[in-house]
Amino acid sequence: GQQLNQSPQSMFIQEGEDVSMNCTSSSIFNTWLWYKQDPGEGPVLLIALYKAGELTSNGRLTAQFGITRKDSFLNISASIPSDVGIYFCAGQLYSGAGSYQLTFGKGTKLSVIP
Amino acid sequence: EAGVVQSPRYKIIEKKQPVAFWCNPISGHNTLYWYRQNLGQGPELLIRYENEEAVDDSQLPKDRFSAERLKGVDSTLKIQPAELGDSAVYLCASSPGTGAINIQYFGAGTRLSVL
Repeated sequence: GQQLNQSPQSMFIQEGEDVSMNCTSSSIFNTWLWYKQDPGEGPVLLIALYKAGELTSNGRLTAQFGITRKDSFLNISASIPSDVGIYFCAGQLYSGAGSYQLTFGKGTKLSVIP
Repeated sequence: EAGVVQSPRYKIIEKKQPVAFWCNPISGHNTLYWYRQNLGQGPELLIRYENEEAVDDSQLPKDRFSAERLKGVDSTLKIQPAELGDSAVYLCASSPGTGAINIQYFGAGTRLSVL
């Protein structure tokens, strides 16, 4: 099946620093999604990308859908303590007739040092 | 508007016992998903429903897992009997289910511990 390689696995940064994480796949996707998961909660959608090459921002978050449709990155600018959590990339493949497959990466655990 | 609601939030059972999880999707969402998330991993799909029909259950261990979505709204996921390796977070998600743009929204999950 499809697999996503998400990196880095974890990172420790100082408050105020910028963060970058990415996802690559051997398969193409129709949609790339970035979710954040806090402890004891389900994943919450941050950004959705629908077109190859698309660059989308949501506040301090910026994400891009790679031109090859096989990769995506997420940047967080000026990190704050509440950015702590696990960030998951997910690739969605629409295979027609209402059939969608969502494949998740293993996550990037972000720790922010005040 | 309420999000995806799951219960219970936590469940601790002994191995070989049965367990059931309940999910109420976002109102109007036709598609419902059950995922399992092991520690340090991303969610992995167990089963997907379009209304009351299970359209993708290829990853559901059918010897011990079962699911139903009567009337195409709420859903239950059951494990009988539970094994130690079933300890995980079980997530429910729902999506509108129409068109090429189909974002999934997740519940808070049920954390299962099998002793």
